[in-house]
Order: sequence, then C-alpha cells, then structure tokens
Amino acid sequence: DILMTQSPSSLSASVGDRVTITCRASQGIGNSLNWYQQKPGQAPKLLIYVVANLQNDVPSRFSGGGSGTEFTLTISSLQPEDFATYYCQQSHSLPRTFGQGTRLEIK
Amino acid sequence: QVQLVQSGAEVKKPGASVKVSCKVSGFSLTEVFIHWVRQAPGKGPEWMGGFDPADGETIYAQTFQGRVTMTEDTSTDTAYIEVSSLRSEDTAVYYCTNADSWAHVYYFDAWGQGTLVTVSP
Repeated sequence: DILMTQSPSSLSASVGDRVTITCRASQGIGNSLNWYQQKPGQAPKLLIYVVANLQNDVPSRFSGGGSGTEFTLTISSLQPEDFATYYCQQSHSLPRTFGQGTRLEIK
Repeated sequence: QVQLVQSGAEVKKPGASVKVSCKVSGFSLTEVFIHWVRQAPGKGPEWMGGFDPADGETIYAQTFQGRVTMTEDTSTDTAYIEVSSLRSEDTAVYYCTNADSWAHVYYFDAWGQGTLVTVSP
C-alpha cells in the first residue's frame, strides 16, 4: 500500500497568515493526488483534485502543487472558515489511501 | 450535482452485521460510481472499496475482503454496504462518496452525511 505522510500533523496560525501543508507519498504517484478539508462533525469536502485543480466554489486562496512523491497545499491568506483538518489522498493505485491529516488551529 | 443521503446511526453487538444505505439523487445510480470510506474516531479516512468503471466491477480494499459487501439497487438509486462479523474496531462513521475523474485520476467529489456505526457489547 502507498503510505501518505503529512507534515505538520498540527499547525497553529493566525487569520491572514500564509500556510503550507506537505504530503509525501512512499512511492511515486505521478499527479494522482487530491486534497480534502474536514470540519468537526462534517464529511470531508473536496478542495483540490489532480494536484492543482480547484473544485467548484473553492476560493482562489487555496492552491496545490508538486509531483511524484512530494505535494503541497497552500492557503495564501487564512480566513476564519479555513480552520479545519486537511487530508491528502492518492489515486495512483489500490487501495486508495489518505494521509493522517493536518489539523489547522487558530493561534 | 450528485447528492447522497445515508441511513441513520446504528448500534450493534460484536459478531453482528450492519447494512448502511446511500440514496443517490441528482443523477441515476447507473451514472455515478459510489465508493465507501470509513473514519474511526480521531483518525483519518480509510477507503473500503467501490465500483471501478475501468474493470466494470466492485473492488474492495484487501483489509475488508470477505467481510464487506457493496451492492446497488438501481430501481431505487440506492447503494448499500454490509459489514459482517463486527468488532469494536469497526466503530466508525461510514461515508458513501461519488468517484469522479479527470485526466484518468479519480477523486471523491460528493459525500453523504455519514452514518455512525457503534459496536458495543
């Protein structure tokens, strides 16, 4: 199975900050990488698919990048509604696997 | 836009089975590819399986082979997952989700609200 490792596991930041979350795959996955946001008590929500494509209605302050084994999710200017847990997920091979999550908290 | 509505919470004893439903609207069930993902308390999501259009059949994560069955009723546009021989470690929120693709890469773009399954003696 492909292991997806996110860093950091948790992050404290302030409104207006720029933050970057990293996701590393245990083997090359090309561009088969997606990002989700999850708030407490809610289902995950697709943010970015295939590395860098924003899902409908996702604000442009979110961006994704990378290829192969290392990927990033960047939020250019944090807003109050962005404080949540973020997960990366690979679709290169079976089983589909998720990262362990990065919890973004208000400083 | 695909909308997914799941059945309500369940409490089961170890060794029992549970069946969770996922009603599709906005599209016919034959037009979407339903997968199932579960999330144990405080943990990340775990993919369980779903319909693979490339093979035209349902694929299961090895972890759940033989203990999980995914079915569909196209007459009611409802997908189901049944988990048998439940144990405490199966306590989790179970989600159905739609798999879409772009450039041959699959992603999960619509999710049900989740169904909490609690396994307790």
